[in-house]
Amino acid sequence: EVQLVQSGPEVKKPGESLKISCKGSGYSFTRQWIAWVRQMPGKGLEWMGHIYPGDSDTRYSPSFRGRVTISADKSITTAYLQWSSLKASDTAVYYCARLSDYGDSEYNWFDPWGQGTLVTVSS
Amino acid sequence: DIQMTQSPSTLSASVGDRVTITCRATQSISIWLAWYQQKPGKAPKFLIYKASVLESGVPSRFSGSGSGTEFTLTISSLQPDDFATYHCQQYDSYPFTFGQGTKLEIQ
Repeated sequence: EVQLVQSGPEVKKPGESLKISCKGSGYSFTRQWIAWVRQMPGKGLEWMGHIYPGDSDTRYSPSFRGRVTISADKSITTAYLQWSSLKASDTAVYYCARLSDYGDSEYNWFDPWGQGTLVTVSS
Repeated sequence: DIQMTQSPSTLSASVGDRVTITCRATQSISIWLAWYQQKPGKAPKFLIYKASVLESGVPSRFSGSGSGTEFTLTISSLQPDDFATYHCQQYDSYPFTFGQGTKLEIQ
């Protein structure tokens, strides 16, 4: 069974750093893109970017480039989303999701999804 | 960026009803559209790809159609498990974008 299991909820103060994780299992982790998607409270879904763990090739949404870092450690089949200085506006649920390998393309839909990590940033 | 707009934002319906949700793109995305279902406090669940192809295991009461800039998700006969929020997503070009979501609620 393909599974993405994310790290637990986080409560941080503005200005602090954070790295959350997403561990993949049940498939060839190095061969499929892993994305991060933000959902702010009561809002829709926003694609942040995705990474190809095989060679760490990464794509970022312009809205998030420079604000977050997406990385992966293929030795432990885990992808990461990292902030160096959090803001209150980063409060959201963050999902990781695997891109389908349909057509062996980086232009694909997301399936499956991790369970989500709630990040709360408050002073 | 391609903007995706769903309508309506909220839809009230009853079990057994036929409902349609629309998703419009600001430029042509051919058939590169996916639909997801999300229940409160849960991750989205993938339903449809290439605008009209049902993922394996998705009930046949769900259907998708459209191409270019206008797409629809139809549920032919609502079941209690279908009350949720539905999201469309374009994967034609970067940045990938989602509609704002349509909340389907019990009337």
